[in-house]
Amino acid sequence: KNEVEQSPQNLTAQEGEFITINCSYSVGISALHWLQQHPGGGIVSLFMLSSGKKKHGRLIATINIQEKHSSLHITASHPRDSAVYICAVKAGSARQLTFGSGTQLTVLP
Amino acid sequence: EPEVTQTPSHQVTQMGQEVILRCVPISNHLYFYWYRQILGQKVEFLVSFYNNEISEKSEIFDDQFSVERPDGSNFTLKIRSTKLEDSAMYFCASSEGSGIQPQHFGDGTRLSIL
Repeated sequence: KNEVEQSPQNLTAQEGEFITINCSYSVGISALHWLQQHPGGGIVSLFMLSSGKKKHGRLIATINIQEKHSSLHITASHPRDSAVYICAVKAGSARQLTFGSGTQLTVLP
Repeated sequence: EPEVTQTPSHQVTQMGQEVILRCVPISNHLYFYWYRQILGQKVEFLVSFYNNEISEKSEIFDDQFSVERPDGSNFTLKIRSTKLEDSAMYFCASSEGSGIQPQHFGDGTRLSIL
């Protein structure tokens, strides 16, 4: 069974700061998702990656398959980035995702 | 951009009643999923569905649960006799393929059992 751990659980930053959220998992995977969950509860997919690095606007996601670790970075953070960020992994041929507990990010103006 | 839509956004039901949660996946997607999130907890997998049958299910998905694709667009989750512990946010997701394909999520249905 894959265990997915995220750190930190809570993160408060000032507007403009560089943010890093970490995710580690215990079993080899075929893909990793970074998701954003807003206070209303809806989930938005930010990235899916299986190797290397992806960038979308101010968001950057990296993954190190050997280390079983991924990071989500937010550059020039803004209060509208405040949300819960969730890491979810897909192991091998399984179709289901296994989720981390999420990181609550609050960006203060 | 196409999206997964879920209805209703909030459902309040008496314990013991049947409830049906509805989802319209993205039209060219072939794989469908239900997840749930109990308040304050992780999102958990319930079931995946492909080619009109269940392909994977978790231990949560017991005989009280069923899924159906009644027509070409809807994907439903039925809970036959609801319990207090079924109160949660239920998310539908869909993907084009089962390999390295992203899953797209709906906004969820908040189910409250009284």
